[in-house]
Amino acid sequence: ETGVTQTPRHLVMGMTNKKSLKCEQHLGHNAMYWYKQSAKKPLELMFVYNFKEQTENNSVPSRFSPECPNSSHLFLHLHTLQPEDSALYLCASSQEGQMNTEAFFGQGTRLTVV
Amino acid sequence: AQKVTQAQTEISVVEKEDVTLDCVYETRDTTYYLFWYKQPPSGELVFLIRRNSFDEQNEISGRYSWNFQKSTSSFNFTITASQVVDSAVYFCALSDPFQGGSEKLVFGKGTKLTVNP
Repeated sequence: ETGVTQTPRHLVMGMTNKKSLKCEQHLGHNAMYWYKQSAKKPLELMFVYNFKEQTENNSVPSRFSPECPNSSHLFLHLHTLQPEDSALYLCASSQEGQMNTEAFFGQGTRLTVV
Repeated sequence: AQKVTQAQTEISVVEKEDVTLDCVYETRDTTYYLFWYKQPPSGELVFLIRRNSFDEQNEISGRYSWNFQKSTSSFNFTITASQVVDSAVYFCALSDPFQGGSEKLVFGKGTKLTVNP
């Protein structure tokens, strides 16, 4: 079982749909992240949760709504998205407070908005 | 603001060639970390290396080596005797570990490496 698991791997949704992306980490980390990877653009940090509290919202539109019920699970709720929101959404986790750590990434959810 | 530049968008080499991926960064911080990640076609980012700003010693791990030059703000990555399995997108990233305690990574746009048989 991989350290960070994302479901679904692929998602196609209409602009009026509501869907959720799920991320689960089995590494005992206490910080989790959502990144967006669009074609020909750098990975963009969207949200950071540290000890289940949101510590960063990187100017993300309100049509993206994160939820972190515990330190092992992270959700990204989607509603009324736009075609330009189509991208690979990557979840990551790390152990905060420890300088010698790196972020572990899931395989991502490939989202297509039609 | 922090910034990472990977000037090479795509590189194509033949197997067994050596290849160097360039990374130049900008930061006003004196303490920071630099990373390289590999993204194979399956999508996940695989951690390769982390280097802190106080350690300029070059590192070698098998066929991989990294050259950190603080004077030129560069952190280049060399693959020796490349293999087809090295084909992936490689990302250089910069992290400031002191802002709110969260490890926020600023990524370059990535370099797509294709190793042909």
